[in-house]
Amino acid sequence: LAKTTQPISMDSYEGQEVNITCSHNNIATNDYITWYQQFPSQGPRFIIQGYKTKVTNEVASLFIPADRKSSTLSLPRVSLSDTAVYYCLVGDEDYGQNFVFGPGTRLSVLP
Amino acid sequence: NAGVTQTPKFRVLKTGQSMTLLCAQDMNHEYMYWYRQDPGMGLRLIHYSVGEGTTAKGEVPDGYNVSRLKKQNFLLGLESAAPSQTSVYFCASTQRENYEQYFGPGTRLTVT
Repeated sequence: LAKTTQPISMDSYEGQEVNITCSHNNIATNDYITWYQQFPSQGPRFIIQGYKTKVTNEVASLFIPADRKSSTLSLPRVSLSDTAVYYCLVGDEDYGQNFVFGPGTRLSVLP
Repeated sequence: NAGVTQTPKFRVLKTGQSMTLLCAQDMNHEYMYWYRQDPGMGLRLIHYSVGEGTTAKGEVPDGYNVSRLKKQNFLLGLESAAPSQTSVYFCASTQRENYEQYFGPGTRLTVT
């Protein structure tokens, strides 16, 4: 059973803000929400992690509503180099609360 | 500090051959993972380890075995390779669950 649901693909233009929303209706009380980025032929790279409300770092912001059943990754002013697959992850109790990667969201940034 | 390294980077096997993929990390992490990624797909967890001497099955463990004899190394074995095991294999490590995972560069395996 999938732990998270996110759009399969999204398109954007350079300079725009991109928001990718992820649903995780069955998130456990002690689970964090984590986002990774993956470029072709590379391993995934950690972007941001949060538990509730809002988290911001130099790369992105993560918005988590009070019920924690969804989260939104916000990428400000994207560039061509942000073209990648973005994964939303929560722990899976079947595997000791370790992550299970879904298909992710393929973001294409156009000039 | 090399992070997570994987050996080899590429390998071609014939059906029925065996091989071992080596993952090494120098960050003193407790948890280590093996994933496979097929073209256009997300990563799928094969096996994982929560500490030296421990291993556990992930989503797709069939046809693979693992060992974690030393804390810094996590080995993935294919006893009898099949074409369905053609994939890119990634290793990762982290201090504990829910923490940032650090990934290796991947091993591209082709089974003919």
